Amino acid sequence: QQQVKQSPQSLIVQKGGISIINCAYENTAFDYFPWYQQFPGKGPALLIAIRPDVSEKKEGRFTISFNKSAKQFSLHIMDSQPGDSATYFCAATKVIGSRLTFGEGTQLTVNP
Amino acid sequence: DAGITQSPRHKVTETGTPVTLRCHQTENHRYMYWYRQDPGHGLRLIHYSYGVKDTDKGEVSDGYSVSRSKTEDFLLTLESATSSQTSVYFCAISGRQGGNEQFFGPGTRLTVL
Repeated sequence: QQQVKQSPQSLIVQKGGISIINCAYENTAFDYFPWYQQFPGKGPALLIAIRPDVSEKKEGRFTISFNKSAKQFSLHIMDSQPGDSATYFCAATKVIGSRLTFGEGTQLTVNP
Repeated sequence: DAGITQSPRHKVTETGTPVTLRCHQTENHRYMYWYRQDPGHGLRLIHYSYGVKDTDKGEVSDGYSVSRSKTEDFLLTLESATSSQTSVYFCAISGRQGGNEQFFGPGTRLTVL
């Protein structure tokens, strides 16, 4: 009920390409779905987040697509850049202050 | 790092030794969390706090205890460290403006020999 499954574990993309990372959840009570970006030696930082009342949210080159019926959401990075190389985590939670359940992470490498 | 510091940043210790990690925030957030990060497992919640002296267990709490005597400090204690507790530990905070966003500290790399 609390799991969030993330795929792929690793992803290699050429500069300018589109990076797509997918997550699936089980608990229908989840109502907040953030994506975190983590660079080596640093803590995760919030990248973008979505609530289930919308199907898509875009911030610059980063877009979350949300499919409530399928219980899936994905991160799309358009025009991927080498500086986007990092580990990305999806997460889900129910209410303010509640625990985040994280996916296993995706290590993204963008080649120049 | 949103006003969060963790100490120490690196520690090497021996099996059976007690270890305390400290998380300090200057942002007056209500909620504080301790996670561990291991390859293939993402971030897993150890314990969290929803106020001074109010704490609860996360999904991997065995072998860990926590204390929060002040809003700004959240301590994680390994009573008797084991090699399976070798990990990177992250503290996070949230809730000051009623939002869900969690802000993470820089992490502590702990090695138990």
